[in-house]
Amino acid sequence: GAVVSQHPSWVICKSGTSVKIECRSLDFQATTMFWYRQFPKQSLMLMATSNEGSKATYEQGVEKDKFLINHASLTLSTLTVTSAHPEDSSFYICSGGGGPNEQFFGPGTRLTVL
Amino acid sequence: AQTVTQSQPEMSVQEAETVTLSCTYDTSESDYYLFWYKQPPSRQMILVIRQEAYKQQNATENRFSVNFQKAAKSFSLKISDSQLGDAAMYFCAYRETSGTYKYIFGTGTRLKVLA
Repeated sequence: GAVVSQHPSWVICKSGTSVKIECRSLDFQATTMFWYRQFPKQSLMLMATSNEGSKATYEQGVEKDKFLINHASLTLSTLTVTSAHPEDSSFYICSGGGGPNEQFFGPGTRLTVL
Repeated sequence: AQTVTQSQPEMSVQEAETVTLSCTYDTSESDYYLFWYKQPPSRQMILVIRQEAYKQQNATENRFSVNFQKAAKSFSLKISDSQLGDAAMYFCAYRETSGTYKYIFGTGTRLKVLA
């Protein structure tokens, strides 16, 4: 299957700083990418749908100003956690491509906010 | 709104035995996709098997098969000849066939394989 990469794989930051996570489709073009959040021992919760060249669509309860999503090209979507706090510590996963019957997931990014 | 329920937080199976993981879902749509994903300790999501709702035949992939009951909105995963490498979190997922094609995941079942 196609490959989705995420960078960084693990980031530790101080409370109040902003962190950017990159999601790249390496061998396909993705007009739509999805961002998920996964707390320990819990399921993947969809945060937002990232659309190339347009604004992201956020799920109910997700703060748009807190989690900034940019999808400037067909191979790159970024998630910026602004003014991060310890409660934002989580595992963030992106996915994209493959059509309706398949989706390629990135390896995830572990964010720890001190 | 669509929902996906996995009622078994944890399951155990002896190596070489068979285990069935349960999943129920709720939707008003007639066409959709259902998936089982495996998430090992590395946290990388791995597709195990998928089922298209308009297909009556149950999907199979080697040792993995599903029992898809559309009327009952049930989608269970059977793992035959369980192996130590099957130990992982398993997520059932629903995906719409129109709009944004977003996934809705169940809460997961942790599968332990006993040697």
